[in-house]
Amino acid sequence: SQKIEQNSEALNIQEGKTATLTCNYTNYSPAYLQWYRQDPGRGPVFLLLIRENEKEKRKERLKVTFDTTLKQSLFHITASQPADSATYLCALESGGSYIPTFGRGTSLIVHP
Amino acid sequence: GAGVSQSPSNKVTEKGKDVELRCDPISGHTALYWYRQSLGQGLEFLIYFQGNSAPDKSGLPSDRFSAERTGGSVSTLTIQRTQQEDSAVYLCASSLRDSPLHFGNGTRLTVT
Repeated sequence: SQKIEQNSEALNIQEGKTATLTCNYTNYSPAYLQWYRQDPGRGPVFLLLIRENEKEKRKERLKVTFDTTLKQSLFHITASQPADSATYLCALESGGSYIPTFGRGTSLIVHP
Repeated sequence: GAGVSQSPSNKVTEKGKDVELRCDPISGHTALYWYRQSLGQGLEFLIYFQGNSAPDKSGLPSDRFSAERTGGSVSTLTIQRTQQEDSAVYLCASSLRDSPLHFGNGTRLTVT
């Protein structure tokens, strides 16, 4: 069956360091992979989208990589700040599906 | 501009009662999604509307759940004869086709 795995343990890092979050998947051939941020009591907010034929995407301090051979996406936040503390969700969408499937998310805590 | 609006933000109901949850999507967005998120769980897809096409109801967990989208805009998710396991945050999202999702802040449903 299709499965999306994100680390269930919180990632604790020091301010200024690079945070790296992982999204692994099995039995999927995603056309798109998206990353969202979710703060407590709020809905997820879209951050970045990467297509299957793209290796890397950047937006300001954010970088996403997509390796369809390893079936893995890495999400990096450089020069992390306490305000980056949140839960980060990855979502996969198969071509023609239009319905993203979400992972459970990984909590990031950036310590000042 | 205005984002996705959901009401009520919180709803407490007794087991066996019916509830209606409302979603006002972003104007002009043709796609509308309902997901639910239980404590510590990922987003579970419920139903997807796209324009005038028949909705994709494949995620509805039982026939107690139904949803409508009137005039291609406002949507209502109805849960009949609520059960305690229905307690969760119900999230609505809208988008243009093939675009990232814009989420509301959800309705927290508690069934006592």
